[in-house]
Amino acid sequence: AQTVTQSQPEMSVQEAETVTLSCTYDTSESDYYLFWYKQPPSRQMILVIRQEAYKQQNATENRFSVNFQKAAKSFSLKISDSQLGDAAMYFCAYKGVYGGSQGNLIFGKGTKLSVKP
Amino acid sequence: DAMVIQNPRYQVTQFGKPVTLSCSQTLNHNVMYWYQQKSSQAPKLLFHYYDKDFNNEADTPDNFQSRRPNTSFCFLDIRSPGLGDAAMYLCATSRVDNEQFFGPGTRLTVL
Repeated sequence: AQTVTQSQPEMSVQEAETVTLSCTYDTSESDYYLFWYKQPPSRQMILVIRQEAYKQQNATENRFSVNFQKAAKSFSLKISDSQLGDAAMYFCAYKGVYGGSQGNLIFGKGTKLSVKP
Repeated sequence: DAMVIQNPRYQVTQFGKPVTLSCSQTLNHNVMYWYQQKSSQAPKLLFHYYDKDFNNEADTPDNFQSRRPNTSFCFLDIRSPGLGDAAMYLCATSRVDNEQFFGPGTRLTVL
C-alpha cells in the first residue's frame, strides 16, 4: 500500500524568506500524481501544485515550486518570498493513475506553517 | 465560477438525531468524495462515487450512508450521530485522472 510521510509537524518562516516543506512517499507504481494542498484556518482545502511522475521537470506555480526526486521518492515544496497569507496546514498527497480505490488521494499528516511578520 | 458547494456550513445536532449534509458541484465531475476531518488531522476518506457506483472505505462505520441522486448532488447521512462524529466533513470532486477540488466543509457539532 502507498504511504505518504511528512516529517515536519510544524514549521516557521519569517515573512519574505524561503521555506521548504518535506514529503516522502512509498509506492511500487511507476506512474502517479503528487500534490500539495493548502488548508488555511478557514479550512477550505486548496490545491497549490501538482506533479505528474512521468514528468522530469519540477512543477512551478508563482512562488511555489517543488523538488521532485522520483528515485528517492521525495516531493518537497518550496515557498519563496513567504507571505502572511501562506500560513496554513500543508498536506502532501499521492494519487495513483488507475481508477477505483487506487485513484484515491493518500494524504500525509500535514505540516503546519507559521509566518512571522 | 465553477465550484463545490456544501450546505450547511455549520450543523448542530443532538446525540442520536439523524443529520444530512449536502454537497453540490458545478464542475460536472464524475467522481465525488466525502471526507471526515478532525482537528489537526488529515482528511479521512469515508466513501466516493464514480458516477453512480458507490465505493465504501472498509473502515467507514455503518452509521454513515451516502446518496448521489444525480451528477451534481451528493448527500452524507449520519443515522445516529455520536459525540465522536463531531468533525469537519469535506466534500470533493474530480475527474478520474485529475486532482480533487474541495468544498468549504460542514462543521458538525454533536450535543
